[in-house]
Amino acid sequence: DGGITQSPKYLFRKEGQNVTLSCEQNLNHDAMYWYRQDPGQGLRLIYYSQIVNDFQKGDIAEGYSVSREKKESFPLTVTSAQKNPTAFYLCASSKRTGQTGELFFGEGSRLTVL
Amino acid sequence: GIQVEQSPPDLILQEGANSTLRCNFSDSVNNLQWFHQNPWGQLINLFYIPSGTKQNGRLSATTVATERYSLLYISSSQTTDSGVYFCAVVGGGSNYKLTFGKGTLLTVNP
Repeated sequence: DGGITQSPKYLFRKEGQNVTLSCEQNLNHDAMYWYRQDPGQGLRLIYYSQIVNDFQKGDIAEGYSVSREKKESFPLTVTSAQKNPTAFYLCASSKRTGQTGELFFGEGSRLTVL
Repeated sequence: GIQVEQSPPDLILQEGANSTLRCNFSDSVNNLQWFHQNPWGQLINLFYIPSGTKQNGRLSATTVATERYSLLYISSSQTTDSGVYFCAVVGGGSNYKLTFGKGTLLTVNP
């Protein structure tokens, strides 16, 4: 089935460790996005990518890094520089960029820093 | 940037009741989507509706872009409708960023 797969669903990490969240899509979508959600809040954009080997910062990119080496994959690394990394992370994709493209989301990854 | 306000923030219904959720936005939009976030956190696409009216079963949505608002109607609510409903828009000045409202938490009691 076509869709967006995020892994792991739950992740625990100690302070000072980097962690990478996986996002894979088989929808043949051009654009991919990472959002962060904190309790009781809406989603905020971390990074987005419109094409392979290109990506741009969103509103809250500090402490995060991404890569887009393949059309299907857009991994997010939460670095030790991110001061409040505990959150719910959602990956999304769209056929075109957000201006006219409908976004579809994965099931999310819940990161807890101990 | 564009502002998105949703109301009410919380809504409690008895099963079978109807409801209307509202989304106001501060500027012209190129894209507007309604999502339902289930208890496990997944965002389910309900409508892609930058303008006009759409219906899908018990749910329907209307966006009046000239007046900068959208409405989501839920009829004959069921307990499975519980969760958070988000409105998200791409403002006219942006080509990528979907800006979310803070959501409406709907609880449907049996």
